[in-house]
Amino acid sequence: DTAVSQTPKYLVTQMGNDKSIKCEQNLGHDTMYWYKQDSKKFLKIMFSYNNKELIINETVPNRFSPKSPDKAHLNLHINSLELGDSAVYFCASSQDLPWVGELFFGEGSRLTVL
Amino acid sequence: KNEVEQSPQNLTAQEGEFITINCSYSVGISALHWLQQHPGGGIVSLFMLSSGKKKHGRLIATINIQEKHSSLHITASHPRDSAVYICAVRSPYNTDKLIFGTGTRLQVFP
Repeated sequence: DTAVSQTPKYLVTQMGNDKSIKCEQNLGHDTMYWYKQDSKKFLKIMFSYNNKELIINETVPNRFSPKSPDKAHLNLHINSLELGDSAVYFCASSQDLPWVGELFFGEGSRLTVL
Repeated sequence: KNEVEQSPQNLTAQEGEFITINCSYSVGISALHWLQQHPGGGIVSLFMLSSGKKKHGRLIATINIQEKHSSLHITASHPRDSAVYICAVRSPYNTDKLIFGTGTRLQVFP
């Protein structure tokens, strides 16, 4: 069974649309994250939730809204997509408080905005 | 200048060679992660260490806190080791965040 799973793996959409990426972890971890990897392969933290509570909210446009219905799920919703949103988005999880334990990553979701 | 620097940026090797990837950081840290990103894009956590040395199979990670430096070694390299290796550090003053290096792209040829 996949520990951290993201869907969809690929997403191609037009500018201005709204889209969501879903993430689920079956590891029993308390903390989940969303990262954005840009064209230069640089990973940047976007959000982190611990037990459904938002604990990291980096300087990210408010078009991006994370939602954590329970501690096993952290979804990312993006409104009014722009060309610059094209990137690979990674979900990750770790045990206990942020960064205390090993990170487990999902496979990534490649978003292409046309 | 990035707070976490990796060298080299690109590395090619022949199968069987011993490989070293370096990570230097300019901030105080409480832990350092080594991650591997496969050509398909997936990311795997290889090590998390705060002192000394760890070994998993053919991979060895070392850290020298005083020198603010870590190395990732791969013994008897294989083409399947081809990937981007990323170093990331956690600050004790801001434990909510990891600071990432820009990665080292390794290609191992048969």
